[in-house]
Amino acid sequence: QKEVEQNSGPLSVPEGAIASLNCTYSDRVSQSFFWYRQYSGKSPELIMSIYSNGDKEDGRFTAQLNKASQYVSLLIRDSQPSDSATYLCAVQGYSSASKIIFGSGTRLSIRP
Amino acid sequence: GAGVSQSPSNKVTEKGKDVELRCDPISGHTALYWYRQSLGQGLEFLIYFQGNSAPDKSGLPSDRFSAERTGGSVSTLTIQRTQQEDSAVYLCASSLSSGEEDQPQHFGDGTRLSIL
Repeated sequence: QKEVEQNSGPLSVPEGAIASLNCTYSDRVSQSFFWYRQYSGKSPELIMSIYSNGDKEDGRFTAQLNKASQYVSLLIRDSQPSDSATYLCAVQGYSSASKIIFGSGTRLSIRP
Repeated sequence: GAGVSQSPSNKVTEKGKDVELRCDPISGHTALYWYRQSLGQGLEFLIYFQGNSAPDKSGLPSDRFSAERTGGSVSTLTIQRTQQEDSAVYLCASSLSSGEEDQPQHFGDGTRLSIL
């Protein structure tokens, strides 16, 4: 089992709809969770970080964390063509010395 | 600049040559990571430096790969006797790991390595 798992996609969503990206992780004591967006040919850029159970909203983005289910998700409301990219989930373990582990990413395509 | 700086941005070399890739992390960041990304693929972890601790080298694909971090700041990734399968984008990231909520990684723009 991979440490951080994501559906590779592609996930196709119509413009204006909600895109839902999911991620599961295996290390139960993980404490820090991040979502990155990577456009083709570019480096990953941080979108959201979340550390506590529940929802965290930032503009059109909402991160959801459920530590009991070892599940973290990213919702993108009012999807725009510019949201088309690969979304990477990253998880860090209990201590500040723990390595951040990335999932393989989900490719999202927003169709006009 | 305030971001992670990598050099060179592009490197083309012949098979069998050695290459050195450089990463300047964000000032004060204690953690530094190297990744490799082939076209259309995910991030492949290579090596992780955290403060003065021994680096986590578990991702290095062969003994041709090595990395060092001098003075807790600049890092150099060295690939000896390059092979064509080494062609990829090599990404460096740094983070400030302190406190209860660890800080996310900030990525450089990468070095695109092409082995002829």
